[in-house]
Amino acid sequence: EVHLVESGGGLVQPGRSLRLSCAASRFTFSNYWMTWVRQAPGKGLEWVANIKEDGSAKYYADSVKGRFTISRDNAKNSLYLQMNSLRAEDTALYYCVRDLGFFVFDVWGQGTVVTVSS
Amino acid sequence: QSALTQPPSASGSPGQSVTISCTGTSSDVGGYNYVSWYQQHPGKAPKLIIYEVSKRPSGVPDRFSGSKSDNTASLTVSGLQAEDEADYYCSSWGGEVFGTGTKVTVL
Repeated sequence: EVHLVESGGGLVQPGRSLRLSCAASRFTFSNYWMTWVRQAPGKGLEWVANIKEDGSAKYYADSVKGRFTISRDNAKNSLYLQMNSLRAEDTALYYCVRDLGFFVFDVWGQGTVVTVSS
Repeated sequence: QSALTQPPSASGSPGQSVTISCTGTSSDVGGYNYVSWYQQHPGKAPKLIIYEVSKRPSGVPDRFSGSKSDNTASLTVSGLQAEDEADYYCSSWGGEVFGTGTKVTVL
């Protein structure tokens, strides 16, 4: 079964940085766009960023543009999200998601929690 | 981009049908046949249940169906079952946004 496992979440102070990782297995990772989606406590889903199969194109939500960087290592079947200048409003459960294109997400990890607080 | 608009809640008795709307604009829902729906149980990750307006991924029961008219998409759950109680989110190509979410309660 296709599998995505996120890691790297935790408690961080405002203004600090954190790097999330996502390990993919049981599918050809390099054939798919990948996406990060987040969900603040008790709130809805928010698209954060996505990256093309070969990493040559990246797109970001306005709320994170200039602060977050998405990247991937196809040799390691891994997706990353470098989060800088973190704010309280970045507190959320972050999901790693397989992206079929046209904003269709067919495989979701279980998520990793990021809490930004002093 | 603003989130697509969904009713906060919907409910029905077991065996009945419930329909959830998802309203966008001509730039997203109305402009493309790329509306998706996701089901999320408490404490669980979302699950894709409808894509391209009305297609169901393998393993999704045919009790779930989708449709679209102009700028509004709809998800219908027929023959409601207890396990259908969950949050449901729509999304659409063109907006890079999800819907506001609808909590479905099985009475």
